[in-house]
Amino acid sequence: EDQVTQSPEALRLQEGESSSLNCSYTVSGLRGLFWYRQDPGKGPEFLFTLYSAGEEKEKERLKATLTKKESFLHITAPKPEDSATYLCAVQAGFQKLVFGTGTRLLVSP
Amino acid sequence: GAGVSQSPSNKVTEKGKDVELRCDPISGHTALYWYRQSLGQGLEFLIYFQGNSAPDKSGLPSDRFSAERTGGSVSTLTIQRTQQEDSAVYLCASSLGGGPGDIQYFGAGTRLSVL
Repeated sequence: EDQVTQSPEALRLQEGESSSLNCSYTVSGLRGLFWYRQDPGKGPEFLFTLYSAGEEKEKERLKATLTKKESFLHITAPKPEDSATYLCAVQAGFQKLVFGTGTRLLVSP
Repeated sequence: GAGVSQSPSNKVTEKGKDVELRCDPISGHTALYWYRQSLGQGLEFLIYFQGNSAPDKSGLPSDRFSAERTGGSVSTLTIQRTQQEDSAVYLCASSLGGGPGDIQYFGAGTRLSVL
């Protein structure tokens, strides 16, 4: 069964304090690993798709990396507006996404 | 262009009543998905529509849940005889072609509360 585990569940950072979020997965035949950001009361907002081990993608202060067993979302010098829940999901075989439970990030000024 | 639109944004109902949730996908997107997000849990896949193909209903939790998609566009998720455990946020997503790696774009969801 496809499974996604995210850690930590919650993370509190000071503005400018860099850190990483982890997404561990088990899947038969990875078609894509997705990162989304979700703000309270809103739907998930797409950030990145990674397809193969070794791939990296960057957007502003965020960088996503992928290995055969896990993905990391690195946040460099975060700002308060980066506060949100970050969701990781895998796609294998069928088109549905299998999501982790997310990491709630709070960045304090 | 407009994103995925869901209505209503909030729905409060009594146990045993039927509810209908609506989703308008992004124009031109052929694939449409329904997910459920319960407190403290990850998004849970419910059903997937792709063009005129038979939908993938493998995620529907019981026969009280059903969904249809009319004209390849608007979709309605119906929950019959609602139970308190149905309380959750119901999210709709659409993607361009439904192929591997296709980006799914989500609506803001419908928050369902069953009293």
